[in-house]
Amino acid sequence: DSGVTQTPKHLITATGQRVTLRCSPRSGDLSVYWYQQSLDQGLQFLIHYYNGEERAKGNILERFSAQQFPDLHSELNLSSLELGDSALYFCASSATAGTSGEQFFGPGTRLTVL
Amino acid sequence: AQSVTQPDIHITVSEGASLELRCNYSYGATPYLFWYVQSPGQGLQLLLKYFSGDTLVQGIKGFEAEFKRSQSSFNLRKPSVHWSDAAEYFCAVGARSGGGADGLTFGKGTHLIIQP
Repeated sequence: DSGVTQTPKHLITATGQRVTLRCSPRSGDLSVYWYQQSLDQGLQFLIHYYNGEERAKGNILERFSAQQFPDLHSELNLSSLELGDSALYFCASSATAGTSGEQFFGPGTRLTVL
Repeated sequence: AQSVTQPDIHITVSEGASLELRCNYSYGATPYLFWYVQSPGQGLQLLLKYFSGDTLVQGIKGFEAEFKRSQSSFNLRKPSVHWSDAAEYFCAVGARSGGGADGLTFGKGTHLIIQP
């Protein structure tokens, strides 16, 4: 158990819909990273928040957004969903703001778009 | 931008045999280097990491990896595999520049199958 929690574990929805994925980092960790894992693209970095502020963006679509709240949990919002958004979404937390810190991964949320 | 290549999509090894998983990276300087393992239905667990210093790093579960700057490689090894090592293995790099705020760049992964 990494100490990172993600809800829900599974999500099935339809094209055009909007969903919210939630991540609670390990106690004391200020950084939250979001990654998408799909068969064709592999594991891709989406976005990084540190202590409530956006620090870096990766291959995140404009239809996707994220935020980190004062209690440090983070939410990833996916809107106007397409079939190709079906994937496993991971969040990872770290004590530091940079990649030198170990990232602890949650179990993931599996999103299926029908 | 950095990139990671794991040339072997699948590797089959007999239980008790040695293992080497290959990883090559592309980056302007020496990046931070990581190996993660993902068991079915699980998140990723860090096996080991290289930041600087000794180029042979030891990790958990009996794994080690060697950083070779001249070959831009960071291969993962284990002298004797166990059936429980069957999993997906990912090599990843992290940028040192820009404060390292960007997330990790992962390879496509190597699926390890253990034969009894």
